[in-house]
Amino acid sequence: DAMVIQNPRYQVTQFGKPVTLSCSQTLNHNVMYWYQQKSSQAPKLLFHYYDKDFNNEADTPDNFQSRRPNTSFCFLDIRSPGLGDAAMYLCATSRETQGSYNEQFFGPGTRLTVL
Amino acid sequence: KNEVEQSPQNLTAQEGEFITINCSYSVGISALHWLQQHPGGGIVSLFMLSSGKKKHGRLIATINIQEKHSSLHITASHPRDSAVYICAVGYNNNDMRFGAGTRLTVKP
Repeated sequence: DAMVIQNPRYQVTQFGKPVTLSCSQTLNHNVMYWYQQKSSQAPKLLFHYYDKDFNNEADTPDNFQSRRPNTSFCFLDIRSPGLGDAAMYLCATSRETQGSYNEQFFGPGTRLTVL
Repeated sequence: KNEVEQSPQNLTAQEGEFITINCSYSVGISALHWLQQHPGGGIVSLFMLSSGKKKHGRLIATINIQEKHSSLHITASHPRDSAVYICAVGYNNNDMRFGAGTRLTVKP
């Protein structure tokens, strides 16, 4: 089945130790999104890739970076995780077509714990 | 003020009860989503609506575009329905805005 896959599902890191979260998709969608969702809050968009074009949200900290080496994969790098970065990180994809709305498909998320 | 307002914030029901969760939004949208998130879990899309009504099993979603309002109904609720239900609206540029969610607990 076509899907959005996130690895790992649970990640524990230490304060200040870089961590990378992975997202892959078999939907062949051209847009990939990363969201941060803290406990009891709505998901917050960090950035998205439209094909190879990176689009950063204005309030996304510099500590968060992303890479998209090909259509199928997208990575979220947290360079120096702080305690406040503990959250669920959600990856989503969509197929962007001109003039129509396109549903986002979500992965299962990676829950990040920072010790 | 959040662009997407959900009510109630928390809801506790007895098994078998009919449940309604409401969502209001402030500007015109391309589509509205109802999403489900179990504790510690990822997001599952239940419905995407741009008009009218959709039904899937015990779940029904309705939307009134003129009133900028949508409802999610669960008939014959069950403890496995316990989750956070999130209303999200989408715009033409594929931007999505999320409500804060409604935490539903269904007791046996």
